[in-house]
Amino acid sequence: GIQVEQSPPDLILQEGANSTLRCNFSDSVNNLQWFHQNPWGQLINLFYIPSGTKQNGRLSATTVATERYSLLYISSSQTTDSGVYFCAVAEGNKLVFGAGTILRVKS
Amino acid sequence: KAGVTQTPRYLIKTRGQQVTLSCSPISGHRSVSWYQQTPGQGLQFLFEYFSETQRNKGNFPGRFSGRQFSNSRSEMNVSTLELGDSALYLCASGSLQTYTDTQYFGPGTRLTVL
Repeated sequence: GIQVEQSPPDLILQEGANSTLRCNFSDSVNNLQWFHQNPWGQLINLFYIPSGTKQNGRLSATTVATERYSLLYISSSQTTDSGVYFCAVAEGNKLVFGAGTILRVKS
Repeated sequence: KAGVTQTPRYLIKTRGQQVTLSCSPISGHRSVSWYQQTPGQGLQFLFEYFSETQRNKGNFPGRFSGRQFSNSRSEMNVSTLELGDSALYLCASGSLQTYTDTQYFGPGTRLTVL
């Protein structure tokens, strides 16, 4: 099956700093999503981005499908950005998740 | 539009008991998927339903089962609970048959097995 790898596994930032999270996947995909898991466990949709670039406020994402990777950029980080970020790709009728990146933003 | 809802939000059971979790998808969505999240295994796929048909099943024992009703609401059942079944159970809904759309997740049901 498809493999999804995220890096780095942990990231500690000072408030105001920028960061880049990476997601590598082992096969071509037609569905790639980035999620932020809140402290209560809910997966919050950030981007549906099987290819191309999207931006939403301080967050943006780019997927280069031909090279099998996606990047999530967080600019001017805030403490509320802390949490776990997951990348997931579709394999048939299911999502395969990476192990996540734990982000801690310090004030 | 209301989001994906899951009930109950928290559940405590003892080993050997069974449990039923419920998921109501976003109105108009016909695909419902279930995932289990544990610290050791991460997020793992359980099963997916579309228009009452199970189209895909993950690598879980037969104690895990599910179904989808004609109104797209879905339930999953775990029988003969084991300590290792303690997890966050998440359901997701989608609108397309091809799974090439955004999957929206509910708040989850946190199951503790004692």
